[in-house]
Amino acid sequence: DAGITQSPRHKVTETGTPVTLRCHQTENHRYMYWYRQDPGHGLRLIHYSYGVKDTDKGEVSDGYSVSRSKTEDFLLTLESATSSQTSVYFCAISEGDADSPLHFGNGTRLTVT
Amino acid sequence: AQTVTQSQPEMSVQEAETVTLSCTYDTSENNYYLFWYKQPPSRQMILVIRQEAYKQQNATENRFSVNFQKAAKSFSLKISDSQLGDTAMYFCAFIRNDYKLSFGAGTTVTVRA
Repeated sequence: DAGITQSPRHKVTETGTPVTLRCHQTENHRYMYWYRQDPGHGLRLIHYSYGVKDTDKGEVSDGYSVSRSKTEDFLLTLESATSSQTSVYFCAISEGDADSPLHFGNGTRLTVT
Repeated sequence: AQTVTQSQPEMSVQEAETVTLSCTYDTSENNYYLFWYKQPPSRQMILVIRQEAYKQQNATENRFSVNFQKAAKSFSLKISDSQLGDTAMYFCAFIRNDYKLSFGAGTTVTVRA
């Protein structure tokens, strides 16, 4: 299994508070991704990174920011959490070749009350 | 815009029987890759099978096989000799040249004993 660790595994937070989710990899893969999973929508891309300090937006990036200061770490920040951001968040990594599948972490369940 | 469509939200199959999950996608690219991922109740995302668009031969992995119809932009998954452990949500996914993986909404498969 690909070495991907997401933390925390579960989190409950209040509306308006900042939240940071962490993804750590031991595979030295170039590409890292953040997805959110919601019923009826599958997984939707929030942001991704193609190298240290190189990031780009996905289809649902509003309200989220990311940072990647090291190859192994990719942080997702909710600047001011809202109830609509209650979801399961997945980090994924890829070697970056078009035929390389994404390998996923175990997910973080975030509840915003 | 949704580029991957899974039209069957739920399917049920008797143990040892066969079930086929449908998936259609939209792209103007000629070369791309398609994947099926399985998500059991543990929430882990597991790669089931992948297909390269330039290969006409359908991919097979043990009891899992695909029917890839490039002209129709169709990529169905067949699970043969269904087992209780196959109970999961299945996602069809498509990767573009920008290395972003797009997912369908998922199909929940329940295998009955």
